[in-house]
Amino acid sequence: NAGVTQTPKFRVLKTGQSMTLLCAQDMNHEYMYWYRQDPGMGLRLIHYSVGEGTTAKGEVPDGYNVSRLKKQNFLLGLESAAPSQTSVYFCASSAGLSNQPQHFGDGTRLSIL
Amino acid sequence: ILNVEQSPQSLHVQEGDSTNFTCSFPSSNFYALHWYRWETAKSPEALFVMTLNGDEKKKGRISATLNTKEGYSYLYIKGSQPEDSATYLCAFPSNTGKLIFGQGTTLQVKP
Repeated sequence: NAGVTQTPKFRVLKTGQSMTLLCAQDMNHEYMYWYRQDPGMGLRLIHYSVGEGTTAKGEVPDGYNVSRLKKQNFLLGLESAAPSQTSVYFCASSAGLSNQPQHFGDGTRLSIL
Repeated sequence: ILNVEQSPQSLHVQEGDSTNFTCSFPSSNFYALHWYRWETAKSPEALFVMTLNGDEKKKGRISATLNTKEGYSYLYIKGSQPEDSATYLCAFPSNTGKLIFGQGTTLQVKP
């Protein structure tokens, strides 16, 4: 029962480097989300997708890009990493947008030096 | 801007105590109310999705009630155990369906 799988689990980057976080779900969910979690800030939505080929901005989208080329995958990209992007990133998926529970991955801890 | 408020921010109880905490949300344009349990170093896990006024859901020793007219939900834990120690999040969908999460109530159960 894989559910939602995030890779990598940890990463350290230097300022200005780029990287892509991968999220994969095996539940055939239409909806996928990327959140960041910072101390005292709770979970904040970065971007989300309501289906294959679609993406939309969340609460804190600046500095990130996303793609949903396949239904099961949702990629989060950092083009030029900044120290302010040091955070724990969670991916989630759900069968419905508001009335179905979200299923979360284990998170990716990202540090930008 | 939607505001989802949870209280208290943190709670320390002894093993065996029963406890409850509150989630407040806008009472207009209600779609659903979510509760999640988030253990340290793990990912949030869905407990309940509540959609009807007066709804009451139960999962083991944890139960939740919903009052959509006054905009609040209570989460109850009966006979708290150390393994119940976690942060409990509620979340409310905005008018575009995206979940707005509260800051959470962090529960610590002492043996």
